[in-house]
Amino acid sequence: EPEVTQTPSHQVTQMGQEVILRCVPISNHLYFYWYRQILGQKVEFLVSFYNNEISEKSEIFDDQFSVERPDGSNFTLKIRSTKLEDSAMYFCASSVERQRSRYFGAGTRLSVL
Amino acid sequence: QKEVEQNSGPLSVPEGAIASLNCTYSDRGSQSFFWYRQYSGKSPELIMSIYSNGDKEDGRFTAQLNKASQYVSLLIRDSQPSDSATYLCAVTSKTSYDKVIFGPGTSLSVIP
Repeated sequence: EPEVTQTPSHQVTQMGQEVILRCVPISNHLYFYWYRQILGQKVEFLVSFYNNEISEKSEIFDDQFSVERPDGSNFTLKIRSTKLEDSAMYFCASSVERQRSRYFGAGTRLSVL
Repeated sequence: QKEVEQNSGPLSVPEGAIASLNCTYSDRGSQSFFWYRQYSGKSPELIMSIYSNGDKEDGRFTAQLNKASQYVSLLIRDSQPSDSATYLCAVTSKTSYDKVIFGPGTSLSVIP
């Protein structure tokens, strides 16, 4: 069964450093998303991406964040200068259509020290 | 008013019983509704989606949607210990299909 894959599974970084989280969405899906979940809190929408551009972003997704689809398969989330409060699980998801089900990857646990 | 509300639980049911999970949402124009299961430390796993009023059944799971009451529920029949997890209700924003808003989740414990 097709699945969303994310790498790395765990990323440890120092405050102020840049991190790139990687995702390979399901191959026939056209819509891509990043969500995050701080420990013990709910899953929060960060950004959606379609046709090589951001289609929607939340207030969390400020100038420190960016997304890119550098080739035909990968979808990345970059955090330019990490803060302690960026520590969370980051989930990539994809869907066939924007109103349809999102399928989630296993997530990347980001720990900012 | 919170966008998507769920009872946090924990909800405890005996093995073999029916578990009933409820969710209310505030955006009257929301169009798509999803139930996810999340085991501790894992990612959300889609159980089912529902888009129109009424019931939708898939195996032991039944989703019920009532847009007039802004209410969506999930019934789990013949509950198993492996169903013990947090169940997340998610709803598309009325202003954007791109933005799916998650509720805080209901923790379910199925007692053998």
